[in-house]
Amino acid sequence: SSVLTQPPSVSVAPGETARITCGGNNIGSKSVHWYRQKPGQAPILVIYYDTDRPSGIPERFSGSNSGNTATLTISRVEAGDEADYYCQVWDSGVFGGGTKLTVL
Amino acid sequence: EVQLVQSGAEVKKPGESLKISCKGSGYSFASSWIGWVRQMPGKGLEWMGIIYSGDSDTRYSPSFQGQVTISVDTSLNTAYLQWSSLKASDTAMYYCAAGSGAFDLWGRGTLVTV
Repeated sequence: SSVLTQPPSVSVAPGETARITCGGNNIGSKSVHWYRQKPGQAPILVIYYDTDRPSGIPERFSGSNSGNTATLTISRVEAGDEADYYCQVWDSGVFGGGTKLTVL
Repeated sequence: EVQLVQSGAEVKKPGESLKISCKGSGYSFASSWIGWVRQMPGKGLEWMGIIYSGDSDTRYSPSFQGQVTISVDTSLNTAYLQWSSLKASDTAMYYCAAGSGAFDLWGRGTLVTV
C-alpha cells in the first residue's frame, strides 16, 4: 500500500494563503481527496478528484496534483478553517498522516 | 435526509466479540461503497476497508485483514464492522463513510472502549 506524507502542522495568519501538501510516489497519476476534521467532529470532504469542490465548500478551497505532490490550497484563511486536514488516495484507501492547520 | 447513522458507544472486555453498525438513508445505498475508518485517541485517520453494497465486494487494508470483518445487509441499508476477539488496542473511534469514489458522507462515529 502507498504511503502519503503530510507536514504535521501548518500555521498562517488570517487572510493569508495556506498550502498543505501530500507527498507520494507518482501521486499525480492517482485521484486524491481531501478531508477536514474539526475537534470532536467527523471528517468532511472538502476536495475530491484532485480539484473538485463538493457543494457547500467555499471557493477559497482548491486542489492540485502533479508529479509526487498533491496540494490543498486555502485562500483568505479564516479562523474557522482551523482543523486537521487529511489527504487520501481512493484506489488504495490510504490516508495521509494529517496536517494541523493553525490560524495565528 | 441523507445520512449515515452509527450504533452507540460500546464498552467491552478483552476477548469479547463486537459488531457495530452503520445505517444509510436518503441516497442510493445499493450503489455506493461503505468504508470503515479507525481513529485512535489523538491520532489520525486509518482506512480499514471498504465494501460495495451492490455485490458485497470487500477489500481490506493489509493492516486490518484478518483482524475485522466488514459486511453489509442491503435489505436493511446497513453495513457492519465486527471483531471476534477484541484487544485493548482496538480502543478507538470508528467512522463509517460512504461514496462512489470519495467519502462524501460520514457517520458521527462509534466509540469503542476495550
